[in-house]
Amino acid sequence: DTGVSQNPRHKITKRGQNVTFRCDPISEHNRLYWYRQTLGQGPEFLTYFQNEAQLEKSRLLSDRFSAERPKGSFSTLEIQRTEQGDSAMYLCASSLGWRDRVLIFGPGTRLTVL
Amino acid sequence: KQEVTQIPAALSVPEGENLVLNCSFTDSAIYNLQWFRQDPGKGLTSLLLIQSSQREQTSGRLNASLDKSSGRSTLYIAASQPGDSATYLCAVGRTNTGTASKLTFGTGTRLQVTL
Repeated sequence: DTGVSQNPRHKITKRGQNVTFRCDPISEHNRLYWYRQTLGQGPEFLTYFQNEAQLEKSRLLSDRFSAERPKGSFSTLEIQRTEQGDSAMYLCASSLGWRDRVLIFGPGTRLTVL
Repeated sequence: KQEVTQIPAALSVPEGENLVLNCSFTDSAIYNLQWFRQDPGKGLTSLLLIQSSQREQTSGRLNASLDKSSGRSTLYIAASQPGDSATYLCAVGRTNTGTASKLTFGTGTRLQVTL
């Protein structure tokens, strides 16, 4: 296993369009996290899954955002009706459980909304 | 609400120097603290994880300490090299409610090691 992968790596879209990102975690990891990072800031938590269950969502995750992990493996993050303020790096991370476990981050998807 | 602050925001040192990066957090009820490295435009690489019951962790030239009661952590880098140039992020995990891996990050310290 080569780690956490994310696709696409870069996405440029026009305001109002929908975009979808994919994250493939490390295969045996049951926990999957989405974070968002804007320029010059640390990542901010968006949501996380344990297997296929979405257990927590941040207030940052407006109703235009939806995340799924249908079979407890890969996850998708969809943003509907994108706004310029959505421009950021979207980071996915995974871990095996939570106790004593390090989060392994993917390379991120950089979204630019024009 | 947990707030994490990192000082300095940027640091430039000549190769070979030892350096210390600082991290402070407002709520001492943490489960763990992690230090990450981030290269420009890239994802995060975990460097060290300290459990709340621990005082320090070491990996190679890196040493991280944790003083939970005062809400502080430091990352010590010995004999810095140009390849250490990156942004270093500190992140704290909440108490053991099952969401300890939900991290609150600082804004990072951008380190440049010059030849």
